[in-house]
Amino acid sequence: SQKIEQNSEALNIQEGKTATLTCNYTNYSPAYLQWYRQDPGRGPVFLLLIRENEKEKRKERLKVTFDTTLKQSLFHITASQPADSATYLCALISGTYKYIFGTGTRLKVLA
Amino acid sequence: ETGVTQTPRHLVMGMTNKKSLKCEQHLGHNAMYWYKQSAKKPLELMFVYNFKEQTENNSVPSRFSPECPNSSHLFLHLHTLQPEDSALYLCASSQTGDGNTIYFGEGSWLTVV
Repeated sequence: SQKIEQNSEALNIQEGKTATLTCNYTNYSPAYLQWYRQDPGRGPVFLLLIRENEKEKRKERLKVTFDTTLKQSLFHITASQPADSATYLCALISGTYKYIFGTGTRLKVLA
Repeated sequence: ETGVTQTPRHLVMGMTNKKSLKCEQHLGHNAMYWYKQSAKKPLELMFVYNFKEQTENNSVPSRFSPECPNSSHLFLHLHTLQPEDSALYLCASSQTGDGNTIYFGEGSWLTVV
């Protein structure tokens, strides 16, 4: 069956460190993978999209990698800040309209 | 302001009630979606509409009935729900086509008592 798994439900790190979140998928061959941020009680907000032919994508302090051989994406936040505390979701696009989401990793950056 | 507006933000309804959730998008998108988000579960795709036509119904019980009168508005009609239907219901929109970003509303918190 098709699955998207994010490595841990919760991750605590110290301010200033790099947070690394993992997204693994099985039985998909996605052309794209996206990462979203969700704050409590709010809808998810798009952060980054990476295509299957791109190994890495950066946006300010964010970096995403995509390894189609390992079927894995890594999401990094460098120089993390307490304001980065949120739940981060990865999403695959399976077909034109099927955006399939992982369960999310709740990141807490400790001051 | 996300460009996708959902009302009401909070709804409490009894199991015999009929209510509706409303969604409006101001982004000029062609596709609209309903997702359900329960605690400790991934976002579950419920329905997809493209140019007002339903293109996806993810085996959703008939007590949830979607309506898409035009590309900017989407409704979710609720009837005889169960307590396990209590969740955050998220509306979203996107431009048609592969790889496009999906934009979410703030969600409607539904509690069934």
